[in-house]
Amino acid sequence: GQNIDQPTEMTATEGAIVQINCTYQTSGFNGLFWYQQHAGEAPTFLSYNVLDGLEEKGRFSSFLSRSKGYSYLLLKELQMKDSASYLCAVRDGTDSWGKFQFGAGTQVVVTP
Amino acid sequence: DAGVTQSPTHLIKTRGQQVTLRCSPKSGHDTVSWYQQALGQGPQFIFQYYEEEERQRGNFPDRFSGHQFPNYSSELNVNALLLGDSALYLCASSLGAGGVSDTQYFGPGTRLTVL
Repeated sequence: GQNIDQPTEMTATEGAIVQINCTYQTSGFNGLFWYQQHAGEAPTFLSYNVLDGLEEKGRFSSFLSRSKGYSYLLLKELQMKDSASYLCAVRDGTDSWGKFQFGAGTQVVVTP
Repeated sequence: DAGVTQSPTHLIKTRGQQVTLRCSPKSGHDTVSWYQQALGQGPQFIFQYYEEEERQRGNFPDRFSGHQFPNYSSELNVNALLLGDSALYLCASSLGAGGVSDTQYFGPGTRLTVL
């Protein structure tokens, strides 16, 4: 079946680092995406991984291991504005236009 | 460059009624996907439109239907509304070219409340 798991909530202090893990079991795999969603707003694209390894983008990095069905999003130098829900999504199937399967999201709370 | 737009922003309906939600994709995008997001949950895939046809569909009943127009804009129709249909409905557009170019970009959503 299709399953994407991520922790429900994480709390960290401003300036610290937080790592959000995501494990997935899908019928196919054609890329893993991370989105940030502030309360009441639309998800915004953060990162994309299709090959194993680390992708770095400023304060945000994302890692993928396809053999383990595992990814993480690393947020460095946390800022108050990083308080949001972080969604892990897998594009399944073998086609480039496969549908996205989303996890339930991880609520990150940044404290002063 | 206009992003994905959706209308209306909010909508209140009663059980049994029908609703139509609208979406205009990001400039240059030809593929539109619709999602339902309940409070505290991730978006659930409803269906995807490409070249005016439904290309794939998630686990939603036939009460959920859609349409894509020649200008790539799209509508989501829900018939015989149930209380459980109350959610944020998100439209996402993409290029359908594969790889990171096929990243989905989301609109602001339509908040539907069914009473």
